[in-house]
Amino acid sequence: EVQLVESGGGLVKPGGSLRLSCAASGFTFSNAWMSWVRQAPGKGLEWVGRIKSKTDGGTTDYAAPVKGRFTISRDDSKNTLYLQMNSLKTEDTAVYYCTTAVRESSSPGIYFDYWGQGTLVTVSS
Amino acid sequence: DIQMTQSPSTLSASVGDRVTITCRASQSISSWLAWYQQKPGKAPKLLIYKASSLESGVPSRFSGSGSGTEFTLTISSLQPDDFATYYCQQYNSYSLFTFGPGTKVDIK
Repeated sequence: EVQLVESGGGLVKPGGSLRLSCAASGFTFSNAWMSWVRQAPGKGLEWVGRIKSKTDGGTTDYAAPVKGRFTISRDDSKNTLYLQMNSLKTEDTAVYYCTTAVRESSSPGIYFDYWGQGTLVTVSS
Repeated sequence: DIQMTQSPSTLSASVGDRVTITCRASQSISSWLAWYQQKPGKAPKLLIYKASSLESGVPSRFSGSGSGTEFTLTISSLQPDDFATYYCQQYNSYSLFTFGPGTKVDIK
């Protein structure tokens, strides 16, 4: 059974930093493309960023609102995905979901098949 | 950037109703569209990918159709477990993936 368990959320002041973790199990993590998706309170879903498997280059892409402030990384030896968030803003307040990312052989992009339960990040003074 | 819209934003329906939700893209996305269901306080769940492919384990009352810029999610006979918010998501881009604003299906 695929399991994704996020941790590391909490209250942080504007301008502060936080690192989220996502512990994965039930699948071959090293082969998986992974992503973070967030949801502000009472709002819709927003893609944050994606990391490819090391076999596919291990590269990352980010949504414009977080580019340059957030960094996604992975430790395949620990089956863990990370989201380093710096220079946090009040508008980054959201539940952050870790997801597996599916890329079909002929598709340009990805969709998200397995999701964690989410971890809440609150940015407030 | 590709923008996604959904209509209606809220839909009131009864158990047994046939329900249709529409998702539109600001430019052609071929069939690179997924649909998700989200219940309050829970993570989203994948229902449909590639516009019309049903994810394993999802009931057959859910179906998707469309291509290009207009897509629909249909629930053939609404069940009590289906009251939720539904999101579409395009993946026509290599590095930017956008969701629609959501359609809430509630009890009439």
